[in-house]
Parts: sequence; C-alpha cells; structure tokens
Amino acid sequence: AQTVTQSQPEMSVQEAETVTLSCTYDTSESNYYLFWYKQPPSRQMILVIRQEAYKQQNATENRFSVNFQKAAKSFSLKISDSQLGDTAMYFCAFMRIQGAQKLVFGQGTRLTINP
Amino acid sequence: EAQVTQNPRYLITVTGKKLTVTCSQNMNHEYMSWYRQDPGLGLRQIYYSMNVEVTDKGDVPEGYKVSRKEKRNFPLILESPSPNQTSLYFCASSSGGWGGNTIYFGEGSWLTVV
Repeated sequence: AQTVTQSQPEMSVQEAETVTLSCTYDTSESNYYLFWYKQPPSRQMILVIRQEAYKQQNATENRFSVNFQKAAKSFSLKISDSQLGDTAMYFCAFMRIQGAQKLVFGQGTRLTINP
Repeated sequence: EAQVTQNPRYLITVTGKKLTVTCSQNMNHEYMSWYRQDPGLGLRQIYYSMNVEVTDKGDVPEGYKVSRKEKRNFPLILESPSPNQTSLYFCASSSGGWGGNTIYFGEGSWLTVV
C-alpha cells in the first residue's frame, strides 16, 4: 500500500518570502501521479500542481514549483513570493496511474503567511 | 459550470439516527469517491465507484454504505452513525480510467454525531 508523509504540521513565513513544504511517499509502483492540494479556510480542495512520475522535468505553475526526486521518493512544494492568500492547509497526494483513481493523502501542512 | 454538489453542507445528528449525504456531479464522470478528513490524518477514501452499479471499499469503509444507481449520483449512507464518524466529508468525481484527468471535489459536508 502507498503512504504519504508530510513531516511539517505547521509552517509560518513572512509575506514575499519563499517557503518549501516537504512530502515523502512510499510505493512500489514505477509510474504514478503526485499532487499538491491547497485547502483554504473555506475547506475547498484546490489543485495547486501535478507531477507525472514518468516526467523528469519538475512541474511549475506560476509561483508554485516542485522538486521531484523519484529515487528518494520526495516531492516538495516551493512557493515563491508568498502572498497572504497562500495561507492554507496544503496536502500532498499520490495516485496510481491505473485503477480506481484513489488519492492517498499526507497529513497536511498548515501554512501561515504573515504580513 | 462543472460541479460536484454535496448536501447537506452542515449536519448535527444523534447517535444511531440514519442519515444520507447526497453527492451529484454534472460532468458525466464515471469515477466517484467519498473521502473523510480528520485532523492529523489528511483525507482518506471511504468508498469509490467506477460506474453505475460498480462500487468498492476504500481504506475506511466501516460504518458506511454507498450506492450508484445513476451515473450522476453517489450518496453516502450512515445506517447507524456513531461519534467517531464526526468528520468533514468530501465527494469527488473524475472521468476516465487513469490518473491524468482532473479530479473535482465537492465543497465538503461537516457532520457531527452526538
């Protein structure tokens, strides 16, 4: 079974700083997807970024980028020029390529951006 | 607009009183799932469905039932709710049989069992 671990329960940075959220996972699969989801106080689940394991290039979406280290099974999220609106819970998630489209989530990291 | 709609959004109920949380999607998706979110545990899959009349257990199915009689609807049934089922519940849907398609989440349903 796959597991996802986020070792930082909470983080706090100043506005405009860069912050990196950590995620490690365990799987015997060679092809899979990895995701970062943002959950603001509204509790809505918002997809931030997605990485296909078969792609060596790290995914980027504007101020959000990942550092995907497949051999180390590590998938960290970097937020550049952080904004107050980035304050949220962030979840790392894993999904197999085929099958039931089941997301396996980490425990979450609560990120606070201070003015 | 692509939507996954859950109802009710908030509910306080008593132990043992059967309840149903409805979920409906307007995207003709084959795949639908239910997750529960608990502090320190993230989201965990309860049940999923790959199409009409095809359902299977996720990681935490105990105490829950589901049905998929229509493609758009995937209700979550708590036959005899207990306090340990107090949680935030999410319904999700997606198309296709591979992980590349976007997964859409409902807005969540807060359930408190007293």
